[in-house]
Amino acid sequence: LAKTTQPISMDSYEGQEVNITCSHNNIATNDYITWYQQFPSQGPRFIIQGYKTKVTNEVASLFIPADRKSSTLSLPRVSLSDTAVYYCLVGGDAGNNRKLIWGLGTSLAVNP
Amino acid sequence: DAGVTQSPTHLIKTRGQQVTLRCSPKSGHDTVSWYQQALGQGPQFIFQYYEEEERQRGNFPDRFSGHQFPNYSSELNVNALLLGDSALYLCASSLAGREQYFGPGTRLTVT
Repeated sequence: LAKTTQPISMDSYEGQEVNITCSHNNIATNDYITWYQQFPSQGPRFIIQGYKTKVTNEVASLFIPADRKSSTLSLPRVSLSDTAVYYCLVGGDAGNNRKLIWGLGTSLAVNP
Repeated sequence: DAGVTQSPTHLIKTRGQQVTLRCSPKSGHDTVSWYQQALGQGPQFIFQYYEEEERQRGNFPDRFSGHQFPNYSSELNVNALLLGDSALYLCASSLAGREQYFGPGTRLTVT
């Protein structure tokens, strides 16, 4: 089972770019990397998913180096509403939730 | 297009009682997964239902059981409640794929 390591917490200011790095040294060949955002007392919300290189959508970018042993979620120009917990997940096999290990996530605090 | 819905939002039960939580998946989704999230922790996978059968199960005792109906909605049942079962219970749906859509959760308090 792939295990991920993320910083427990991060602080930022409005308008800054925030990069959250996740380590996953034992990622398997068929594993994807997925990031979720969670606000207090709400369900996690899918942010982005990737396999290699760079993926970008309307809310974030995901950078994955060639060895795939880490990944970086980049949030451009954060606002106060981006204050949340961010989870990095690694797993393969479509729908195989049993292999996905949710850690403690990274608690991001965006300050005015 | 309605997302994942769960009911009830909150409930309080007494130790030893039984509880049933309900989930309606996002329109078009056929797979439902249930998670338990204790305060300050990440979600823990309970089980997943597809085609009305339990397909995968996490490390949870048999007190936790579930069901999926022909319309893809699902129930989570927990028997003989313990104080440690107090948590946010999350339902997630997907179309047999990796991207899961989560509901708002049901906050269960066991006293």
